[in-house]
Amino acid sequence: DAGVIQSPRHEVTEMGQEVTLRCKPISGHNSLFWYRQTMMRGLELLIYFNNNVPIDDSGMPEDRFSAKMPNASFSTLKIQPSEPRDSAVYFCASSLPSAGSTDTQYFGPGTRLTVL
Amino acid sequence: GDSVTQMEGPVTLSEEAFLTINCTYTATGYPSLFWYVQYPGEGLQLLLKATKADDKGSNKGFEATYRKETTSFHLEKGSVQVSDSAVYFCALIRTDSWGKLQFGAGTQVVVTP
Repeated sequence: DAGVIQSPRHEVTEMGQEVTLRCKPISGHNSLFWYRQTMMRGLELLIYFNNNVPIDDSGMPEDRFSAKMPNASFSTLKIQPSEPRDSAVYFCASSLPSAGSTDTQYFGPGTRLTVL
Repeated sequence: GDSVTQMEGPVTLSEEAFLTINCTYTATGYPSLFWYVQYPGEGLQLLLKATKADDKGSNKGFEATYRKETTSFHLEKGSVQVSDSAVYFCALIRTDSWGKLQFGAGTQVVVTP
Protein backbone atom coordinates (compact mmCIF):
# COMPACT_ATOMS: atom_id res chain seq x y z
CA ASP A 1 0.00 0.00 0.00
CA ALA A 2 1.49 3.34 -1.06
CA GLY A 3 -0.10 5.33 1.75
CA VAL A 4 -1.27 8.90 1.40
CA ILE A 5 0.79 10.73 -1.21
CA GLN A 6 1.38 14.47 -1.10
CA SER A 7 3.17 16.72 -3.54
CA PRO A 8 5.28 18.69 -3.55
CA ARG A 9 7.17 17.82 -0.36
CA HIS A 10 8.67 21.29 -0.20
CA GLU A 11 7.49 24.52 -1.77
CA VAL A 12 9.15 27.90 -1.61
CA THR A 13 7.33 30.79 -3.20
CA GLU A 14 7.09 34.54 -3.05
CA MET A 15 4.31 36.50 -1.47
CA GLY A 16 1.40 37.00 -3.84
CA GLN A 17 1.97 33.85 -5.84
CA GLU A 18 -0.55 31.06 -6.18
CA VAL A 19 0.28 27.79 -4.44
CA THR A 20 -1.35 24.44 -5.13
CA LEU A 21 -0.83 21.46 -2.85
CA ARG A 22 -1.87 18.00 -3.97
CA CYS A 23 -3.00 14.86 -2.21
CA LYS A 24 -3.77 11.33 -3.27
CA PRO A 25 -5.60 9.40 -0.53
CA ILE A 26 -5.29 5.70 0.12
CA SER A 27 -7.32 3.77 -2.42
CA GLY A 28 -10.77 2.92 -1.08
CA HIS A 29 -10.78 5.60 1.62
CA ASN A 30 -13.80 7.89 1.38
CA SER A 31 -12.85 10.65 3.81
CA LEU A 32 -10.09 13.16 3.26
CA PHE A 33 -8.77 15.80 5.64
CA TRP A 34 -6.46 18.79 5.17
CA TYR A 35 -4.48 20.02 8.21
CA ARG A 36 -2.02 22.84 8.81
CA GLN A 37 0.73 22.62 11.42
CA THR A 38 2.64 25.60 12.81
CA MET A 39 4.64 26.15 15.96
CA MET A 40 2.29 28.89 17.10
CA ARG A 41 -1.07 27.25 16.43
CA GLY A 42 -0.24 23.55 16.47
CA LEU A 43 -2.28 21.20 14.29
CA GLU A 44 -5.41 22.73 12.76
CA LEU A 45 -8.07 21.03 10.67
CA LEU A 46 -8.76 23.16 7.60
CA ILE A 47 -11.40 21.18 5.73
CA TYR A 48 -12.61 17.64 5.28
CA PHE A 49 -14.46 15.74 2.60
CA ASN A 50 -16.62 12.65 2.67
CA ASN A 51 -17.31 10.92 -0.64
CA ASN A 52 -15.77 13.94 -2.42
CA VAL A 53 -18.22 16.37 -0.79
CA PRO A 54 -16.92 19.06 1.61
CA ILE A 55 -18.46 18.39 5.02
CA ASP A 56 -16.87 21.10 7.14
CA ASP A 57 -14.71 23.97 5.90
CA SER A 58 -14.99 26.07 9.04
CA GLY A 59 -11.25 25.76 9.60
CA MET A 60 -10.30 27.41 6.30
CA PRO A 61 -8.65 30.63 7.45
CA GLU A 62 -9.95 32.99 4.78
CA ASP A 63 -11.10 33.32 1.20
CA ARG A 64 -7.56 33.00 -0.07
CA PHE A 65 -7.77 29.30 0.73
CA SER A 66 -9.81 26.86 -1.35
CA ALA A 67 -9.94 23.08 -1.59
CA LYS A 68 -11.39 20.70 -4.12
CA MET A 69 -11.85 16.99 -4.46
CA PRO A 70 -12.87 16.31 -8.05
CA ASN A 71 -12.74 12.55 -7.60
CA ALA A 72 -12.07 9.89 -4.98
CA SER A 73 -8.35 9.74 -5.70
CA PHE A 74 -7.29 13.37 -5.79
CA SER A 75 -7.61 16.59 -3.83
CA THR A 76 -6.03 20.02 -4.02
CA LEU A 77 -5.55 22.84 -1.55
CA LYS A 78 -4.95 26.19 -3.19
CA ILE A 79 -3.76 29.44 -1.67
CA GLN A 80 -4.13 32.57 -3.77
CA PRO A 81 -2.52 34.95 -3.16
CA SER A 82 -0.06 33.47 -0.70
CA GLU A 83 1.26 35.42 2.28
CA PRO A 84 4.26 34.84 4.60
CA ARG A 85 1.93 33.88 7.44
CA ASP A 86 0.77 30.89 5.37
CA SER A 87 4.19 29.29 5.88
CA ALA A 88 3.53 25.95 7.58
CA VAL A 89 3.48 22.21 7.04
CA TYR A 90 0.28 21.10 5.36
CA PHE A 91 -0.86 17.51 5.92
CA CYS A 92 -3.42 15.47 4.10
CA ALA A 93 -5.04 12.45 5.78
CA SER A 94 -7.56 9.86 4.67
CA SER A 95 -9.78 7.32 6.38
CA LEU A 96 -12.63 4.93 5.77
CA PRO A 97 -15.43 6.21 7.99
CA SER A 98 -18.94 7.28 7.26
CA ALA A 99 -21.04 9.18 9.80
CA GLY A 100 -20.62 7.78 13.27
CA SER A 101 -17.43 5.87 12.61
CA THR A 102 -14.11 6.37 14.35
CA ASP A 103 -11.67 4.71 12.02
CA THR A 104 -8.02 5.60 11.93
CA GLN A 105 -6.80 8.55 9.87
CA TYR A 106 -3.68 7.91 7.83
CA PHE A 107 -1.48 10.92 7.31
CA GLY A 108 0.70 11.82 4.37
CA PRO A 109 4.29 13.06 4.83
CA GLY A 110 3.25 16.69 4.51
CA THR A 111 4.16 19.65 2.32
CA ARG A 112 6.45 22.22 3.89
CA LEU A 113 5.42 25.61 2.48
CA THR A 114 7.60 28.67 2.81
CA VAL A 115 6.26 32.00 1.57
CA LEU A 116 8.92 34.67 1.33
CA GLY B 1 -17.00 22.57 22.39
CA ASP B 2 -14.72 19.55 22.38
CA SER B 3 -11.18 19.99 23.61
CA VAL B 4 -8.10 17.95 24.45
CA THR B 5 -5.51 19.12 26.98
CA GLN B 6 -2.13 17.50 27.29
CA MET B 7 0.92 18.28 29.35
CA GLU B 8 3.38 20.75 27.93
CA GLY B 9 6.77 19.66 26.79
CA PRO B 10 9.47 19.13 26.18
CA VAL B 11 9.75 16.10 28.38
CA THR B 12 13.37 15.00 28.63
CA LEU B 13 14.19 11.51 29.87
CA SER B 14 17.09 9.14 30.03
CA GLU B 15 16.93 5.86 28.16
CA GLU B 16 15.04 3.13 30.09
CA ALA B 17 13.15 5.70 32.18
CA PHE B 18 9.38 5.54 32.71
CA LEU B 19 7.30 7.89 30.56
CA THR B 20 3.90 9.37 31.35
CA ILE B 21 2.14 11.98 29.25
CA ASN B 22 -1.08 13.27 30.74
CA CYS B 23 -4.14 13.86 28.56
CA THR B 24 -7.61 15.00 29.58
CA TYR B 25 -10.57 15.76 27.37
CA THR B 26 -13.90 17.54 27.23
CA ALA B 27 -16.55 16.21 24.89
CA THR B 28 -20.23 15.43 24.73
CA GLY B 29 -21.23 11.81 24.56
CA TYR B 30 -18.69 9.02 24.40
CA PRO B 31 -15.81 9.86 22.13
CA SER B 32 -13.10 7.53 20.91
CA LEU B 33 -9.62 8.44 22.08
CA PHE B 34 -6.32 8.25 20.25
CA TRP B 35 -2.61 8.78 20.63
CA TYR B 36 -0.72 9.76 17.50
CA VAL B 37 3.06 10.07 17.22
CA GLN B 38 5.05 12.33 14.90
CA TYR B 39 8.69 11.53 14.31
CA PRO B 40 10.95 14.34 13.05
CA GLY B 41 10.17 15.30 9.47
CA GLU B 42 7.26 12.89 9.14
CA GLY B 43 3.49 12.89 9.26
CA LEU B 44 1.46 11.64 12.18
CA GLN B 45 1.03 7.91 12.79
CA LEU B 46 -1.56 6.22 14.96
CA LEU B 47 0.08 4.82 18.07
CA LEU B 48 -2.96 3.40 19.86
CA LYS B 49 -6.65 3.97 20.42
CA ALA B 50 -9.55 3.11 22.71
CA THR B 51 -13.19 3.34 21.76
CA LYS B 52 -15.04 2.92 25.05
CA ALA B 53 -14.64 3.41 28.76
CA ASP B 54 -12.09 1.16 30.51
CA ASP B 55 -10.61 0.02 27.19
CA LYS B 56 -6.83 -0.14 27.15
CA GLY B 57 -5.00 0.63 23.95
CA SER B 58 -1.46 -0.68 23.55
CA ASN B 59 1.26 -0.72 20.92
CA LYS B 60 5.08 -0.81 20.85
CA GLY B 61 5.22 -0.94 24.65
CA PHE B 62 2.97 2.11 25.05
CA GLU B 63 -0.34 1.86 26.90
CA ALA B 64 -3.27 4.16 27.65
CA THR B 65 -6.55 3.45 29.44
CA TYR B 66 -9.81 5.27 28.68
CA ARG B 67 -10.98 6.65 32.04
CA LYS B 68 -14.44 8.10 31.71
CA GLU B 69 -14.73 9.08 35.37
CA THR B 70 -11.67 11.31 35.13
CA THR B 71 -12.04 12.08 31.39
CA SER B 72 -8.43 11.06 30.90
CA PHE B 73 -6.31 8.98 28.53
CA HIS B 74 -2.76 9.15 29.87
CA LEU B 75 0.02 7.58 27.81
CA GLU B 76 2.64 5.41 29.54
CA LYS B 77 5.70 3.42 28.63
CA GLY B 78 7.77 1.51 31.12
CA SER B 79 11.20 1.84 29.50
CA VAL B 80 11.78 4.39 26.76
CA GLN B 81 14.40 4.23 24.03
CA VAL B 82 16.15 6.96 22.10
CA SER B 83 13.99 6.00 19.12
CA ASP B 84 10.88 7.06 21.09
CA SER B 85 11.95 10.70 20.74
CA ALA B 86 9.02 12.33 18.95
CA VAL B 87 5.99 14.54 19.43
CA TYR B 88 2.96 12.77 20.87
CA PHE B 89 -0.59 13.98 20.22
CA CYS B 90 -3.68 13.02 22.16
CA ALA B 91 -6.90 13.25 20.16
CA LEU B 92 -10.59 12.41 20.22
CA ILE B 93 -13.36 11.69 17.73
CA ARG B 94 -17.02 12.04 18.57
CA THR B 95 -19.20 9.40 16.97
CA ASP B 96 -21.38 12.06 15.33
CA SER B 97 -18.49 14.01 13.80
CA TRP B 98 -17.78 12.19 10.51
CA GLY B 99 -14.40 11.12 11.77
CA LYS B 100 -13.20 14.63 12.64
CA LEU B 101 -10.22 14.45 15.00
CA GLN B 102 -9.79 17.00 17.79
CA PHE B 103 -6.08 17.16 18.67
CA GLY B 104 -4.26 18.32 21.74
CA ALA B 105 -1.28 20.65 21.37
CA GLY B 106 1.26 17.83 21.32
CA THR B 107 4.03 16.94 23.77
CA GLN B 108 7.61 16.70 22.63
CA VAL B 109 9.56 13.84 24.20
CA VAL B 110 13.35 13.75 24.09
CA VAL B 111 15.12 10.58 25.20
CA THR B 112 18.85 10.81 25.81
CA PRO B 113 21.28 7.87 25.85
